Amino acid sequence: DAGITQSPRYKITETGRQVTLMCHQTWSHSYMFWYRQDLGHGLRLIYYSAAADITDKGEVPDGYVVSRSKTENFPLTLESATRSQTSVYFCASSEFGQGGTEAFFGQGTRLTVV
Amino acid sequence: AQSVSQHNHHVILSEAASLELGCNYSYGGTVNLFWYVQYPGQHLQLLLKYFSGDPLVKGIKGFEAEFIKSKFSFNLRKPSVQWSDTAEYFCAVNSNFNKFYFGSGTKLNVKP
Repeated sequence: DAGITQSPRYKITETGRQVTLMCHQTWSHSYMFWYRQDLGHGLRLIYYSAAADITDKGEVPDGYVVSRSKTENFPLTLESATRSQTSVYFCASSEFGQGGTEAFFGQGTRLTVV
Repeated sequence: AQSVSQHNHHVILSEAASLELGCNYSYGGTVNLFWYVQYPGQHLQLLLKYFSGDPLVKGIKGFEAEFIKSKFSFNLRKPSVQWSDTAEYFCAVNSNFNKFYFGSGTKLNVKP
């Protein structure tokens, strides 16, 4: 189906482990984003990508790594998970042009670090 | 960096009451403005957006928003809320670099 999908939907991991959250979109949108959603903070931008092999830091990038070797995939890796990274993570994609477009969101990944 | 402020963190209304949620942003250049809604347990969905033209924008489910450039505001309104409008509402802004910045959200609870 067309759209943006995230996997896994739920993940529990231990402190210090590496974990990767996957994001896949079928629209061939140029832009992709990772956000984390925490109570009282709304959505904060972790990383974004303007195209394959082009990524840039957002508001809260520390402890996260991204890559984008293909337009449709934008995985987010927590190199050494900490409890403060317990959150709901949303991936989004967008195209950019005259008049702009909105960001389309995935269903989210609820990550718990114990 | 841009920032988005939503003044109301939690709003409780009775059905049929009118709604206005405030949103202010800080960015001096050209911006695109959005309101998203997140129903419990779901992802964010677009309610409405403003890019240019008429500053009064109409969206889905009877929502509208007014862009007031001089006040850097983009407030969301609905004349008569329903129980099904219970959700969290996020204001967002993006600019030429297409980074979307979100406010902290407003939780709306509509009592039947």
